[in-house]
Parts: sequence; C-alpha cells; structure tokens
Amino acid sequence: QSALTQPPSASGSPGQSVTISCTGTSSDVGGYNYVSWYQQHPGKAPKVKIYEVSKRPSGVPDRFSGSKSGNTASLTVSGLQAEDEADYYCSSYAGSNNLVFGGGTKLTVL
Amino acid sequence: EVQLVESGGGLVQPGRSLRLSCAASGFTFDDYAMHWVRQAPGKGLEWVSGISWNSATIGYADSVKGRFTISRDNAKNSLHLQMNSLRAEDTALYYCVNGLTVPGTLGSYYYMDVWGRGTTVTVSS
Repeated sequence: QSALTQPPSASGSPGQSVTISCTGTSSDVGGYNYVSWYQQHPGKAPKVKIYEVSKRPSGVPDRFSGSKSGNTASLTVSGLQAEDEADYYCSSYAGSNNLVFGGGTKLTVL
Repeated sequence: EVQLVESGGGLVQPGRSLRLSCAASGFTFDDYAMHWVRQAPGKGLEWVSGISWNSATIGYADSVKGRFTISRDNAKNSLHLQMNSLRAEDTALYYCVNGLTVPGTLGSYYYMDVWGRGTTVTVSS
C-alpha cells in the first residue's frame, strides 16, 4: 500500500479551470473504479466531492468533475471560486479490503 | 443529523495501548460501513482501518496491521479501535468516518461521507 501520487500544489484564477492528478498503479486506481475525491479546508473535516471516479454526491456543484485514464485519476474544478481554495485528496480501493489516499494537493485561487 | 463523536485519545508512551471509541447517532448505524482515518500534524490523510456493516469485511493499512484492531457494536451504535504497541509515528488526529450512501448501496465501504471532529493521539515518552 503506497500512497497515491498527487502534485503538492495547484493554482488558478477565479473563473478558470484547474485539474489535479492522482497517479496510482494497476493494483489500485487502474484496477478499480472506486476512486473518490475529498476537499479539506484548514481546521475542518474533509468533504466528499466525487465518488466512483466521476459521480457527484447530492449537493456538490457540477463545477467539480472527475475522470480516469489507466492508472491516473483526475479532478477538475471549473469556474474557480475563492471558496474552492483548500486541500484536495484522492482515494482509491486497493484490493484486499484496503483503501489508500493520495498525498494531497493544495489548491490556491489566485 | 448525523453525528460521530470520537473519544479515548490522549498522551501515551511508546509501546503502550489505547482504545478509541466513536459514538454514532442520527443514522441507522448497522447499515453503514465505518472507517478510521488519521492525520498527523501538518500532514495528509491516511486511511487506518475499515469495517463493513456486519463486520464481515475488515481492512487495515500496512502501517498498523497486526497492532490495531477495529470492531463495532451495532447494538450500541459504536465503533472502536484498539491500538497496541504504539509508536511515535502513530501520533495523529484520528477521525471516525461513515460510508457514503450511493445509489443501490447504503453506507458504501469504498467512499467516506460524514467525519467526526477527531480525537488526538500523542505517542511520546
């Protein structure tokens, strides 16, 4: 179980789009469609934004979208807003009843 | 309203044990998978352990396998984490989390929904 690889930081101006990658292996991201994304503001508990690679829970705006190609999953935030500034974590099922998180990406809205 | 309240954290010496508990309310506890996730100070999230609604499915991160044991008491709406042989690297805020409800599945094992406020574990001599 190695942590999934995310870029440490990402940034964009208000209104722009930004994409955060999450790279794993064929044993986790590439092997299952059980990828999810979580947003965490400083001092707060995480909130799920995407599950099953590309699905949004009720209440999550469609500015958040997810995709996957091979061993890499991606989260795209469109129409960036100041409130989107936060840490983002991907997660994947890794087989044998195990889950694994990515190292996290700090998204800055310029 | 879904509520998850963790307890049992504290300062403990290396090699000693600690038992975390999570009291759940506001949802049908025995329909949901549950997880423990930790976050060391200034660091990212680390999944620690998960358990399905009926305890038939249990998983552990390699970093805690053989030292930690997850369990649940559906009659008491509670989740536990028995932590033995604690190490300095176990120092973290420990969150109790329930599974996300998705179409066709209550409280899925694969995704996380509501997080508690966490309980802090500090392992130090």
